[in-house]
Amino acid sequence: KAGVTQTPRYLIKTRGQQVTLSCSPISGHRSVSWYQQTPGQGLQFLFEYFSETQRNKGNFPGRFSGRQFSNSRSEMNVSTLELGDSALYLCASSLDKAGNTEAFFGQGTRLTVV
Amino acid sequence: GQQVMQIPQYQHVQEGEDFTTYCNSSTTLSNIQWYKQRPGGHPVFLIQLVKSGEVKKQKRLTFQFGEAKKNSSLHITATQTTDVGTYFCAGLNSGYSTLTFGKGTMLLVSP
Repeated sequence: KAGVTQTPRYLIKTRGQQVTLSCSPISGHRSVSWYQQTPGQGLQFLFEYFSETQRNKGNFPGRFSGRQFSNSRSEMNVSTLELGDSALYLCASSLDKAGNTEAFFGQGTRLTVV
Repeated sequence: GQQVMQIPQYQHVQEGEDFTTYCNSSTTLSNIQWYKQRPGGHPVFLIQLVKSGEVKKQKRLTFQFGEAKKNSSLHITATQTTDVGTYFCAGLNSGYSTLTFGKGTMLLVSP
């Protein structure tokens, strides 16, 4: 059974640009959550999508957005990149809504903004 | 909003010593999950606790959920170098319907 796949694994972008990250969940999983991970800050929740609907959103500015497709694949977009957006972005899929069952994390996308 | 505090932030032990990390929530939780992230890796699910006062064991790891369902702990007996990594707790608050992660405890084990 394939795990959670995130693409690309690494990205370097310039301030002001926008970026789209992709996450393919485990087959059959309906929930996809996105997290930003920076040293010392742990996992900061961005948003959760469940059956194509945004179920929850964390305290991030509107520059961060996402969506989920009918096949459960999810994308997140960050517009007008800032240096502080440099981080590891992790997505996690679960069979049910986040927190009800175990989450399976992808390897993450390492975004560097210069 | 819901906050999940985890202590200590960092701990360095000698192989064979015990280790404990504590997790405290500002609100009552529906359940709590624990994850381990090895250096350079991604978080991997360890366990989920649901019942008040629940205790679960996985070999040398013992997980507890407090009676009030606001705190939890992970205890590792006789640490090994393979235990190195960051341990995260994640609490589900039914009121917010969100899973909130603590900032994690980084464990370093010296041989």
